Parts: sequence; structure tokens; C-alpha cells
Amino acid sequence: DAGVIQSPRHEVTEMGQEVTLRCKPISGHNSLFWYRQTMMRGLELLIYFNNNVPIDDSGMPEDRFSAKMPNASFSTLKIQPSEPRDSAVYFCASSLTSGGIPPSETQYFGPGTRLLVL
Amino acid sequence: QKEVEQNSGPLSVPEGAIASLNCTYSDRGSQSFFWYRQYSGKSPELIMFIYSNGDKEDGRFTAQLNKASQYVSLLIRDSQPSDSATYLCAAPPSNDYKLSFGAGTTVTVRA
Repeated sequence: DAGVIQSPRHEVTEMGQEVTLRCKPISGHNSLFWYRQTMMRGLELLIYFNNNVPIDDSGMPEDRFSAKMPNASFSTLKIQPSEPRDSAVYFCASSLTSGGIPPSETQYFGPGTRLLVL
Repeated sequence: QKEVEQNSGPLSVPEGAIASLNCTYSDRGSQSFFWYRQYSGKSPELIMFIYSNGDKEDGRFTAQLNKASQYVSLLIRDSQPSDSATYLCAAPPSNDYKLSFGAGTTVTVRA
């Protein structure tokens, strides 16, 4: 089975440009999570969706960041305008929140998108 | 107080030794606990979960949970150079599906 798919894998852009990151969760999973990872701040949860509905966006740093999940198999994270401090690895993860084993909170991560804003 | 705290390391152990990683959590309502391994430049990979007090063994890995002390640990027996990675402890806040991650402990196994 395919795991979580993210694109692009690498993105280099200039400050002020719009950046769109994409994620396809594992088929059948109903929760999707966007994380950002840096050496300084570690792994930070930005936002998560359950059944395509945003549940918690308290980690979204500011209005420049937005995320959508138009259907169960696709989500985007957009940064507009981008700034050098947005440079990080962005991970998407998904889970199946149905209880049982493994636990509902078990998340599976995609390969990540390495973003560099110059 | 952070929701999940790990001893930051780095931890260096000789090949064949036991590596011991520790994690504490603040939310008494947390029910399940996870250990992820992250190789440099890669994404976190689930290696174990535990939700009952006591020990859970999977190959060379043993997770230990003590809910009274709000403590979870991971033991890696017969450490191999391929175990060199950062290990992340995670727990969900009560009544939530998201995970709070610790800062990670970097383990280096010396050949």
C-alpha cells in the first residue's frame, strides 16, 4: 500500500513568493496533520483535520499560512508571502481514528517537503 | 511545562550495549504512548506504541510505561550502528487525536 505522499519533495523559492505544499493521506485514513520541523523548534503541529474539517489550527504561525482539505484524499498547505524564517521541513501525517489497535492516535508520516526561502 | 519531555542527549553507546531513553508526560489523561525513530534527513517512523502499564517487547526494543509516575521509556538491546537516529516520544492530550512530541533524543551507536 502507498504511504503518505507529499509533493514537492524540495522547494526553493524567493522571499515574497507563494508556496503550495501538497499531501495525499493513506487511503481510508480520516485524520490529516501538517507539521513543521526545524533544528531550533523541533517538530511542531501546525494544523489537523478530521473528516476533512479543520479541528485545531492553533499551531499555524500567522495569517500567511493557510491549509485546506477539499476531500479525503488531498490537502494543501499554502504560505503567502513566504519569508526566510519559513525555511524548514514540512511533514504531512495521517491516521485512522476508529479506535482499536493500533490506537487511534497512531500517525504515519510522509517523506516531507524541504522548503528553502531565499 | 511542555506536555512531553525527553532527556535531550545526545546518547552515545557502544555496539552491543543497551540504550535507555526516557520520557515524561504531563497530561494524566493520556492513554497511548508512541516511540518514533527519525534518521537524519528522513521522516519519523513509528517503532512502538504502548498503552498498558508494564513492558512491551518487540524484537530488540522494549517500551516501559508507568502511568502513576507519568513515565515512559524505550530500551534498545544489543544496539547496532543502524540504531543511530533521533528517537521521539509522543503522547496525545486527553480527548484529542493529535500527538504532542518531545524534542527527541539523538542516539549514536559506536562500532
